Amino acid sequence: NAGVMQNPRHLVRRRGQEARLRCSPMKGHSHVYWYRQLPEEGLKFMVYLQKENIIDESGMPKERFSAEFPKEGPSILRIQQVVRGDSAAYFCASSPLRRQDNSPLHFGNGTRLTVT
Amino acid sequence: TQLLEQSPQFLSIQEGENLTVYCNSSSVFSSLQWYRQEPGEGPVLLVTVVTGGEVKKLKRLTFQFGDARKDSSLHITAAQPGDTGLYLCAGPTSGSARQLTFGSGTQLTVLP
Repeated sequence: NAGVMQNPRHLVRRRGQEARLRCSPMKGHSHVYWYRQLPEEGLKFMVYLQKENIIDESGMPKERFSAEFPKEGPSILRIQQVVRGDSAAYFCASSPLRRQDNSPLHFGNGTRLTVT
Repeated sequence: TQLLEQSPQFLSIQEGENLTVYCNSSSVFSSLQWYRQEPGEGPVLLVTVVTGGEVKKLKRLTFQFGDARKDSSLHITAAQPGDTGLYLCAGPTSGSARQLTFGSGTQLTVLP
């Protein structure tokens, strides 16, 4: 499967624990985007990364959330000390180059985080 | 702040019926994209419209971009149960080609 791979598909965490969400972009893609989707809502941009660089994190909450895309390995979205409001579906998308207005985003199937 | 408002929020119809869903904004967008999202999956791009007044057809789906590039519509002819899903419109966020602004979607259910 050459698509965007996200794991785990489902993640349950208790309040206060840490959540780590992984995203492997499509082969040949070097740009990764993270979006969050709350129930019955559209997707909200969180962060845009290239290898070893955070390009735009304007949609990321200032506290508890961080993202990285190392030279080797998948992109990681990390949520520390999770709260119930963090429960959502987190989607990763990738593109081969810096995204232009009309170029498509290829989304993974998401990680559904449930905080109990 | 750019907003994309989609209507209706929910739509349930019988197989074979026609339907139209809408995506509206007070802001001008350089382009708009339509995605379909099925339960448990990520959004999949259906089409991108770029030119004001543009009409694109994808089998039974017809997409239109408003002349002023502030709105778009999706018309489905003879809907089938396989068309069931969440239809999302999205456009480039002003000032940032890296981000997409999404509407909240229309949840379509086509009953057999």
